[in-house]
Amino acid sequence: AQKITQTQPGMFVQEKEAVTLDCTYDTSDPSYGLFWYKQPSSGEMIFLIYQGSYDQQNATEGRYSLNFQKARKSANLVISASQLGDSAMYFCAMREALGRDDKIIFGKGTRLHILP
Amino acid sequence: DGGITQSPKYLFRKEGQNVTLSCEQNLNHDAMYWYRQDPGQGLRLIYYSQIVNDFQKGDIAEGYSVSREKKESFPLTVTSAQKNPTAFYLCASSGQSRPYEQYFGPGTRLTVT
Repeated sequence: AQKITQTQPGMFVQEKEAVTLDCTYDTSDPSYGLFWYKQPSSGEMIFLIYQGSYDQQNATEGRYSLNFQKARKSANLVISASQLGDSAMYFCAMREALGRDDKIIFGKGTRLHILP
Repeated sequence: DGGITQSPKYLFRKEGQNVTLSCEQNLNHDAMYWYRQDPGQGLRLIYYSQIVNDFQKGDIAEGYSVSREKKESFPLTVTSAQKNPTAFYLCASSGQSRPYEQYFGPGTRLTVT
């Protein structure tokens, strides 16, 4: 069974609109972390945002926010006021058992296209 | 500037040859990782190392080998035993202050013909 599921292989969004990229996860570990990374066409992976399973509030970093719904096991990324430079692949990832095992599991990604 | 370097950016090899991909970091991070990315896929963990002279297999370690003789360096060897070596390889590191955040290198695109 997939541990990280991103159901949107691709999305087209008009510039300046808000974008929500879906991510659901599966774990039985009470302690875990959730991440989002951006991968432009150049190939580099850029860390965007992190949410710990015990964090009380949803994480925010500038235009990025993580809509964390623990009961539903979802960790959607919201990009407000999208820009042309936001066009890229976006990966959701999860790290289980923080401190004991240093592995991060990635989803298959969503390709986001921002239209002018 | 601190960061992770991977060289070369593009690498071509003939089938049956071993090839070593370099990864160097000057971030003073303890942990380092190697991932493989295939077209349209997410990243899959090959090997990781949390401390010098120690490393663990990831999900797809077969046909690969690593060493961690220095904190700054974590080279990956793609051996002839790897059946489908053509891929994009990414190296990453993380430090104790923010262990949940991995910093990635620019990647090496390996093509084996």
